[in-house]
Amino acid sequence: DTEVTQTPKHLVMGMTNKKSLKCEQHMGHRAMYWYKQKAKKPPELMFVYSYEKLSINESVPSRFSPECPNSSLLNLHLHALQPEDSALYLCASTKLGSTDTQYFGPGTRLTVL
Amino acid sequence: GNSVTQMEGPVTLSEEAFLTINCTYTATGYPSLFWYVQYPGEGLQLLLKATKADDKGSNKGFEATYRKETTSFHLEKGSVQVSDSAVYFCALSDHRWGIQGAQKLVFGQGTRLTINP
Repeated sequence: DTEVTQTPKHLVMGMTNKKSLKCEQHMGHRAMYWYKQKAKKPPELMFVYSYEKLSINESVPSRFSPECPNSSLLNLHLHALQPEDSALYLCASTKLGSTDTQYFGPGTRLTVL
Repeated sequence: GNSVTQMEGPVTLSEEAFLTINCTYTATGYPSLFWYVQYPGEGLQLLLKATKADDKGSNKGFEATYRKETTSFHLEKGSVQVSDSAVYFCALSDHRWGIQGAQKLVFGQGTRLTINP
């Protein structure tokens, strides 16, 4: 099984809402990633978890709050977002070791009104 | 810093045409190189990869060779199909980054490919 799943597939939220994105993998990968992708652009790295600990925060605003409850699950909590945060949010995972393949989920298409 | 440059798109070809998408990189050391493909409405899928100089990655008729002397990793396919229409990203893995073994991918800007029947 080389699948990374993400829910929901689509999300529309207002600027005062609180919502969460969920990502799950069962490949035994110990590194998990959140990316943001705007239209016609490559993915931009947001956060990296390694052994369930936050390793990297690429200067992401605090209205995005990641959480890694266990080695298979990664959440992204959203609060007080802005319309410019509308994008495709991708989750990915890897085994540890930089030559390995990064497996991506299908993404959550987020629209902030 | 490390960077990846891809040929600008969009690229439009007829079915069965030969495809080349150019990719060059700048890196310190010996990065791993990847081609990812993104079909409409989907996430990224690994198409092929190469981890050292002169390695050739191949998958689904696509090929790319890791050329250290020209710092290139051009994607080729001999005969494209309508189903190959997608956005293609060249990427490198920054070996210096190794935060507890995690991987940082540096992406090119992407090349949108459209194949007409």
